[in-house]
Amino acid sequence: QQPVQSPQAVILREGEDAVINCSSSKALYSVHWYRQKHGEAPVFLMILLKGGEQKGHDKISASFNEKKQQSSLYLTASQLSYSGTYFCGTEMNSGTYKYIFGTGTRLKVLA
Amino acid sequence: EAQVTQNPRYLITVTGKKLTVTCSQNMNHEYMSWYRQDPGLGLRQIYYSMNVEVTDKGDVPEGYKVSRKEKRNFPLILESPSPNQTSLYFCASSPGGRMNTEAFFGQGTRLTVV
Repeated sequence: QQPVQSPQAVILREGEDAVINCSSSKALYSVHWYRQKHGEAPVFLMILLKGGEQKGHDKISASFNEKKQQSSLYLTASQLSYSGTYFCGTEMNSGTYKYIFGTGTRLKVLA
Repeated sequence: EAQVTQNPRYLITVTGKKLTVTCSQNMNHEYMSWYRQDPGLGLRQIYYSMNVEVTDKGDVPEGYKVSRKEKRNFPLILESPSPNQTSLYFCASSPGGRMNTEAFFGQGTRLTVV
């Protein structure tokens, strides 16, 4: 039931690109993306509300494929500050307003 | 400054001693929620509230209580804490009655139950 993220972990060099995927077994109507530094609170990055929508924030963008029930986060020209754990999150769509986070992806950017 | 404030940041307590973790937001948000974060299990929702006096269970509500008497406050109550409730807790708020817009998180409360 929990959205599955892949990869579980990734190590990059500064300037390299990465893609993080979030896949759900249930229909997705919206997807949030967050970044969390160790011991800190998750920080909201963006939300995608419509199927196929792509949004961007600086060099971080995301796409949302409603039919495939998945979303992808794209990090281009990664910086040291991109290191952290990335989570997707979504409403449960079970007739409630429950919210569920994905399994998480640990990303480490090396100089 | 728009923020979600949790207190305390750190708490060590003994099994069975009732405690309350407070959460307050100054953004007039309708939706507030509590999460616990454990290694290997990620972030899991405990309870959420769509507005004043409206609360519902998340995925892991056992052992917890909440109340929403005012829009700005959403305390998490552990009536009889047990060691398996040792965790990192986060409160979050979001405008609208659901978590479908930008979400703001508190700084976290690290709870240890011995």
